[in-house]
Amino acid sequence: DIQLTQSPSSLSASVGDRVTITCQASQDINNFLNWYQQKPGKAPRLLIYDASSLEPGVPSRFSGSGSGTHFTFTIRSLQSEDIATYYCQHYDDVPRFTFGPGTKVDLK
Amino acid sequence: LQLVESGGGVVQPGRSLRLSCTVSGFNFSNFAMHWVRQAPGRGLEWVAVINYNGNNRYYADSVKGRFTISRDNGKHTLFLDMRSLRADDTAIYYCAREGGLLATTTWLNFDSWGQGTLVTVST
Repeated sequence: DIQLTQSPSSLSASVGDRVTITCQASQDINNFLNWYQQKPGKAPRLLIYDASSLEPGVPSRFSGSGSGTHFTFTIRSLQSEDIATYYCQHYDDVPRFTFGPGTKVDLK
Repeated sequence: LQLVESGGGVVQPGRSLRLSCTVSGFNFSNFAMHWVRQAPGRGLEWVAVINYNGNNRYYADSVKGRFTISRDNGKHTLFLDMRSLRADDTAIYYCAREGGLLATTTWLNFDSWGQGTLVTVST
């Protein structure tokens, strides 16, 4: 089975900071990776699909990159409303849908 | 676009429960649907998917043989029948729309989610 690891598991940053989260896959997953945001007490929200495509309606300060086994999620300038846990997620046609353990982002 | 889950509650181990997800704002018949769960304080776990017409269903190993996903396209409703419930099935259960149109064997993402319904398995 494919495993996803995220780092860091949590981080504290200030408004305006650039925030970067990495997701490492245990084997080559091409670009079959999505990123979700989950605010406390809320359902997850799709932000990035296919590793680097921005979901319609999502602010452009969010971005994703990578392919193969190494992926990066970036918030260009952190806003207070971005406080949340972020999950990477792999999909394939088996089907398998695997989530990473999450990265909790809060304000410093 | 709205997805509303219902049917959660407290149930004893070994018992059964049916969850529902009623949708509006999009053509339900054109989209595969998923159930995803989240144990308290834990991460997300995919549970099951059903394709747009109900002919293809897939399950996570942790629920295979105990859970059944189904749908009623005429009533715009998705179901999850859960039996032989265990303590580790305790979670918020979300229904989520598959991002690919008319998906049957190729999947993309979970592009819309309901607010979730809490299932607690306890004596």
